Amino acid sequence: QKEVEQDPGPLSVPEGAIVSLNCTYSNSAFQYFMWYRQYSRKGPELLMYTYSSGNKEDGRFTAQVDKSSKYISLFIRDSQPSDSATYLCAMRGGGTSYGKLTFGQGTILTVHP
Amino acid sequence: GAVVSQHPSWVICKSGTSVKIECRSLDFQATTMFWYRQFPKQSLMLMATSNEGSKATYEQGVEKDKFLINHASLTLSTLTVTSAHPEDSSFYICSASGTSGGSEQYFGPGTRLTVT
Repeated sequence: QKEVEQDPGPLSVPEGAIVSLNCTYSNSAFQYFMWYRQYSRKGPELLMYTYSSGNKEDGRFTAQVDKSSKYISLFIRDSQPSDSATYLCAMRGGGTSYGKLTFGQGTILTVHP
Repeated sequence: GAVVSQHPSWVICKSGTSVKIECRSLDFQATTMFWYRQFPKQSLMLMATSNEGSKATYEQGVEKDKFLINHASLTLSTLTVTSAHPEDSSFYICSASGTSGGSEQYFGPGTRLTVT
C-alpha cells in the first residue's frame, strides 16, 4: 500500500463547477500537508500549505485536513479553464524528516468552457 | 517572492557525456534544496536532499556517484548527471526551502534531459 493515495482521474468538469480533489494517507507521522498545481512540462506550484485539521481558504481554493480520518481535500470554486492542470497532494512529517515530501500520484483536471 | 529558477530548461546530450543542471533561489536564501525526478504521467520521486555546505543525502536506490549534487551557496545547487545513459532521460526538478526543516518548498520549472 502506498503511503499516499490519490485518484489520478482524469477529472473533467464544466467551467464554473466546484471541483473536489482528495488524498488519503496511512502514515500518522505526517503533520504538514500541501497542494501543488503542475502545468504540463512545468514545475509544481505551491497552492496551499496547512498544518492543523480544519479548513484553510485562499481565494477560490479551500484546503481541508482531517487527521483523524487521514484524509485531505482541495476544493476549487468557480473553476476556470486556466485551472486545467495536474494537482498533487504532498505531505511530510516533522522532526528529523528534514522536509522530505511524499507526493500523491496527482489528479489530472480539465475544465472545459 | 519565492522564485526558483533552473538552467537549462531542456538539454540533449549523447550517451557517456555529463550534464550539469543548475538550481537557483532568486529572492531568498535556500537552506535546503531538493532534487526530484519525474517520469511522464508519474509523480515526483525525491532523489536527494542537500543542505548548504554539507554533503547531500541520497534516497535509497539513487547512485550518488552518478548523480553528483553540490550546494555550495545559499542560492545555488547543481546536479551533475555523469556518464549519462538513455534511461537517465527524464524531467529533473529542484525545490528550495528557506528553513532547515523544509516547511515550504518552492519548485523550479524543471529541466528536461534527453540522452541519445
